[in-house]
Amino acid sequence: AQSVTQLGSHVSVSEGALVLLRCNYSSSVPPYLFWYVQYPNQGLQLLLKYTTGATLVKGINGFEAEFKKSETSFHLTKPSAHMSDAAEYFCAVSEGHSGTYKYIFGTGTRLKVLA
Amino acid sequence: ETGVTQTPRHLVMGMTNKKSLKCEQHLGHNAMYWYKQSAKKPLELMFVYSLEERVENNSVPSRFSPECPNSSHLFLHLHTLQPEDSALYLCASSQDDTDTQYFGPGTRLTVL
Repeated sequence: AQSVTQLGSHVSVSEGALVLLRCNYSSSVPPYLFWYVQYPNQGLQLLLKYTTGATLVKGINGFEAEFKKSETSFHLTKPSAHMSDAAEYFCAVSEGHSGTYKYIFGTGTRLKVLA
Repeated sequence: ETGVTQTPRHLVMGMTNKKSLKCEQHLGHNAMYWYKQSAKKPLELMFVYSLEERVENNSVPSRFSPECPNSSHLFLHLHTLQPEDSALYLCASSQDDTDTQYFGPGTRLTVL
Protein backbone atom coordinates (compact mmCIF):
# COMPACT_ATOMS: atom_id res chain seq x y z
CA ALA A 1 0.00 0.00 0.00
CA GLN A 2 1.09 3.53 -0.63
CA SER A 3 1.97 5.93 2.15
CA VAL A 4 3.59 9.31 2.62
CA THR A 5 5.52 10.57 5.62
CA GLN A 6 6.37 14.21 6.07
CA LEU A 7 8.94 14.63 8.80
CA GLY A 8 8.21 17.68 10.90
CA SER A 9 4.74 19.14 11.12
CA HIS A 10 6.27 22.59 11.73
CA VAL A 11 9.48 24.01 10.27
CA SER A 12 10.88 27.48 10.96
CA VAL A 13 13.59 29.15 8.91
CA SER A 14 15.00 32.64 8.79
CA GLU A 15 14.35 34.80 5.75
CA GLY A 16 17.10 34.11 3.22
CA ALA A 17 17.95 30.70 4.68
CA LEU A 18 17.63 27.34 2.96
CA VAL A 19 14.24 25.68 3.05
CA LEU A 20 14.20 21.88 3.32
CA LEU A 21 10.91 20.03 3.71
CA ARG A 22 11.15 16.27 3.91
CA CYS A 23 8.95 13.69 2.25
CA ASN A 24 9.36 9.93 2.21
CA TYR A 25 7.00 7.60 0.44
CA SER A 26 6.28 3.97 -0.04
CA SER A 27 4.83 2.55 -3.21
CA SER A 28 4.72 -0.87 -4.80
CA VAL A 29 5.07 0.59 -8.30
CA PRO A 30 7.02 3.54 -9.71
CA PRO A 31 5.31 6.51 -8.14
CA TYR A 32 4.11 9.85 -9.32
CA LEU A 33 5.11 12.42 -6.69
CA PHE A 34 3.72 15.88 -6.02
CA TRP A 35 4.24 18.87 -3.79
CA TYR A 36 1.34 21.22 -3.15
CA VAL A 37 1.25 24.45 -1.16
CA GLN A 38 -1.74 25.78 0.75
CA TYR A 39 -1.93 29.40 1.84
CA PRO A 40 -4.40 30.36 4.58
CA ASN A 41 -8.03 30.06 3.55
CA GLN A 42 -7.11 28.77 0.12
CA GLY A 43 -7.04 25.48 -1.73
CA LEU A 44 -3.98 23.50 -2.72
CA GLN A 45 -1.73 24.85 -5.44
CA LEU A 46 0.59 22.57 -7.36
CA LEU A 47 4.26 23.46 -6.80
CA LEU A 48 5.87 20.68 -8.82
CA LYS A 49 5.54 17.06 -9.82
CA TYR A 50 7.65 14.09 -10.78
CA THR A 51 6.33 11.41 -13.12
CA THR A 52 9.24 10.15 -15.22
CA GLY A 53 12.54 11.39 -16.58
CA ALA A 54 14.82 13.86 -14.85
CA THR A 55 14.88 13.25 -11.13
CA LEU A 56 15.50 16.89 -10.23
CA VAL A 57 12.26 18.75 -10.76
CA LYS A 58 11.90 22.51 -10.75
CA GLY A 59 8.66 24.14 -9.75
CA ILE A 60 7.15 27.53 -9.21
CA ASN A 61 8.41 30.20 -6.80
CA GLY A 62 11.99 28.88 -6.88
CA PHE A 63 11.22 25.50 -5.34
CA GLU A 64 12.69 22.23 -6.53
CA ALA A 65 12.60 18.61 -5.43
CA GLU A 66 14.69 15.57 -6.16
CA PHE A 67 13.33 12.06 -6.57
CA LYS A 68 15.70 9.57 -4.93
CA LYS A 69 14.49 6.07 -5.53
CA SER A 70 17.11 4.44 -3.32
CA GLU A 71 16.04 6.61 -0.40
CA THR A 72 12.32 6.63 -1.31
CA SER A 73 12.43 10.37 -0.82
CA PHE A 74 11.17 13.48 -2.57
CA HIS A 75 12.38 16.38 -0.44
CA LEU A 76 11.43 19.94 -1.31
CA THR A 77 14.07 22.68 -1.23
CA LYS A 78 14.45 26.37 -1.89
CA PRO A 79 17.84 28.10 -1.60
CA SER A 80 16.56 31.28 0.01
CA ALA A 81 13.32 31.60 1.98
CA HIS A 82 11.04 34.55 1.48
CA MET A 83 8.36 35.77 3.86
CA SER A 84 5.74 34.92 1.25
CA ASP A 85 6.75 31.22 1.45
CA ALA A 86 5.02 30.89 4.81
CA ALA A 87 2.29 28.32 4.18
CA GLU A 88 1.47 24.66 4.60
CA TYR A 89 3.12 22.20 2.23
CA PHE A 90 1.77 18.79 1.29
CA CYS A 91 3.57 15.90 -0.35
CA ALA A 92 1.47 13.37 -2.26
CA VAL A 93 2.04 10.11 -4.08
CA SER A 94 -0.03 8.36 -6.68
CA GLU A 95 0.40 5.19 -8.65
CA GLY A 96 -0.31 6.90 -11.93
CA HIS A 97 1.66 4.35 -13.88
CA SER A 98 -0.91 1.79 -12.83
CA GLY A 99 -3.73 3.84 -14.26
CA THR A 100 -5.17 4.90 -10.95
CA TYR A 101 -6.10 8.36 -9.77
CA LYS A 102 -5.74 7.82 -6.07
CA TYR A 103 -3.53 10.36 -4.32
CA ILE A 104 -2.21 9.68 -0.86
CA PHE A 105 -1.30 12.87 0.97
CA GLY A 106 1.06 13.45 3.83
CA THR A 107 -0.13 15.27 6.92
CA GLY A 108 1.53 18.49 5.84
CA THR A 109 4.38 20.70 7.04
CA ARG A 110 3.69 24.24 8.15
CA LEU A 111 6.56 26.51 7.15
CA LYS A 112 7.21 29.63 9.19
CA VAL A 113 9.64 32.25 7.88
CA LEU A 114 11.25 34.48 10.49
CA ALA A 115 12.28 38.04 9.68
CA GLU B 1 -13.56 32.57 -14.15
CA THR B 2 -10.53 30.36 -14.45
CA GLY B 3 -9.40 27.15 -12.78
CA VAL B 4 -11.61 25.49 -10.21
CA THR B 5 -14.19 27.52 -8.31
CA GLN B 6 -16.21 26.56 -5.27
CA THR B 7 -19.28 28.12 -3.69
CA PRO B 8 -20.01 29.03 -1.03
CA ARG B 9 -16.62 29.72 0.51
CA HIS B 10 -18.06 29.52 4.02
CA LEU B 11 -21.13 27.71 5.30
CA VAL B 12 -22.61 27.38 8.76
CA MET B 13 -25.44 24.92 9.16
CA GLY B 14 -27.41 23.18 11.85
CA MET B 15 -27.57 19.43 12.11
CA THR B 16 -31.06 19.29 10.63
CA ASN B 17 -30.38 21.54 7.64
CA LYS B 18 -29.95 20.52 4.02
CA LYS B 19 -27.38 22.39 1.97
CA SER B 20 -25.28 21.86 -1.14
CA LEU B 21 -21.71 22.67 -2.05
CA LYS B 22 -20.95 23.53 -5.65
CA CYS B 23 -17.77 23.08 -7.64
CA GLU B 24 -17.13 24.21 -11.21
CA GLN B 25 -14.02 23.63 -13.26
CA HIS B 26 -13.11 25.76 -16.27
CA LEU B 27 -10.17 23.63 -17.40
CA GLY B 28 -11.89 21.22 -19.76
CA HIS B 29 -11.10 18.30 -17.47
CA ASN B 30 -13.09 15.08 -17.36
CA ALA B 31 -12.49 13.92 -13.77
CA MET B 32 -13.58 15.61 -10.55
CA TYR B 33 -13.00 14.87 -6.88
CA TRP B 34 -14.26 15.78 -3.42
CA TYR B 35 -11.82 15.80 -0.50
CA LYS B 36 -12.31 16.51 3.18
CA GLN B 37 -9.57 18.37 5.05
CA SER B 38 -9.78 18.23 8.83
CA ALA B 39 -7.30 19.70 11.26
CA LYS B 40 -4.23 17.53 11.89
CA LYS B 41 -5.42 14.80 9.50
CA PRO B 42 -4.33 14.00 5.94
CA LEU B 43 -6.65 14.97 3.13
CA GLU B 44 -9.34 12.33 2.77
CA LEU B 45 -10.61 11.43 -0.68
CA MET B 46 -14.41 11.20 -0.55
CA PHE B 47 -15.66 10.79 -4.10
CA VAL B 48 -14.26 10.54 -7.61
CA TYR B 49 -16.13 11.09 -10.85
CA SER B 50 -14.59 10.21 -14.18
CA LEU B 51 -16.52 11.05 -17.35
CA GLU B 52 -19.48 11.89 -15.09
CA GLU B 53 -19.62 8.42 -13.58
CA ARG B 54 -18.76 7.78 -9.96
CA VAL B 55 -15.70 5.55 -9.76
CA GLU B 56 -14.89 5.79 -6.08
CA ASN B 57 -16.78 6.21 -2.86
CA ASN B 58 -14.46 5.84 0.09
CA SER B 59 -17.00 4.58 2.61
CA VAL B 60 -18.43 8.04 3.06
CA PRO B 61 -21.55 8.30 5.24
CA SER B 62 -24.81 8.58 3.32
CA ARG B 63 -25.44 12.03 4.77
CA PHE B 64 -23.02 13.17 2.02
CA SER B 65 -24.47 12.74 -1.47
CA PRO B 66 -22.49 13.72 -4.56
CA GLU B 67 -23.89 14.70 -7.93
CA CYS B 68 -22.06 15.25 -11.20
CA PRO B 69 -24.52 16.50 -13.84
CA ASN B 70 -21.80 17.17 -16.42
CA SER B 71 -18.02 17.20 -16.67
CA SER B 72 -17.75 20.80 -15.49
CA HIS B 73 -19.91 20.69 -12.38
CA LEU B 74 -19.83 18.73 -9.16
CA PHE B 75 -22.11 19.05 -6.17
CA LEU B 76 -22.00 17.71 -2.65
CA HIS B 77 -25.43 17.55 -1.05
CA LEU B 78 -25.43 17.63 2.74
CA HIS B 79 -28.16 16.59 5.15
CA THR B 80 -28.36 15.81 8.87
CA LEU B 81 -24.66 16.41 9.37
CA GLN B 82 -22.78 15.99 12.61
CA PRO B 83 -20.43 18.48 14.30
CA GLU B 84 -17.47 16.23 13.40
CA ASP B 85 -18.26 16.89 9.75
CA SER B 86 -17.00 20.45 10.20
CA ALA B 87 -14.00 20.77 7.89
CA LEU B 88 -12.68 22.32 4.71
CA TYR B 89 -14.17 20.59 1.69
CA LEU B 90 -11.98 20.74 -1.38
CA CYS B 91 -12.91 20.04 -4.95
CA ALA B 92 -10.32 19.09 -7.55
CA SER B 93 -10.29 18.21 -11.23
CA SER B 94 -7.92 16.51 -13.65
CA GLN B 95 -7.68 15.59 -17.28
CA ASP B 96 -8.16 11.85 -17.07
CA ASP B 97 -8.25 10.32 -13.68
CA THR B 98 -4.54 9.56 -13.64
CA ASP B 99 -3.30 13.06 -14.24
CA THR B 100 -2.39 16.00 -12.04
CA GLN B 101 -5.21 17.28 -9.87
CA TYR B 102 -6.00 20.97 -9.63
CA PHE B 103 -7.80 22.21 -6.54
CA GLY B 104 -10.40 24.83 -5.80
CA PRO B 105 -10.22 27.19 -2.81
CA GLY B 106 -12.51 25.05 -0.68
CA THR B 107 -15.68 25.53 1.34
CA ARG B 108 -15.20 25.96 5.07
CA LEU B 109 -18.13 24.10 6.65
CA THR B 110 -19.16 24.50 10.26
CA VAL B 111 -21.88 22.25 11.66
CA LEU B 112 -23.50 23.50 14.85
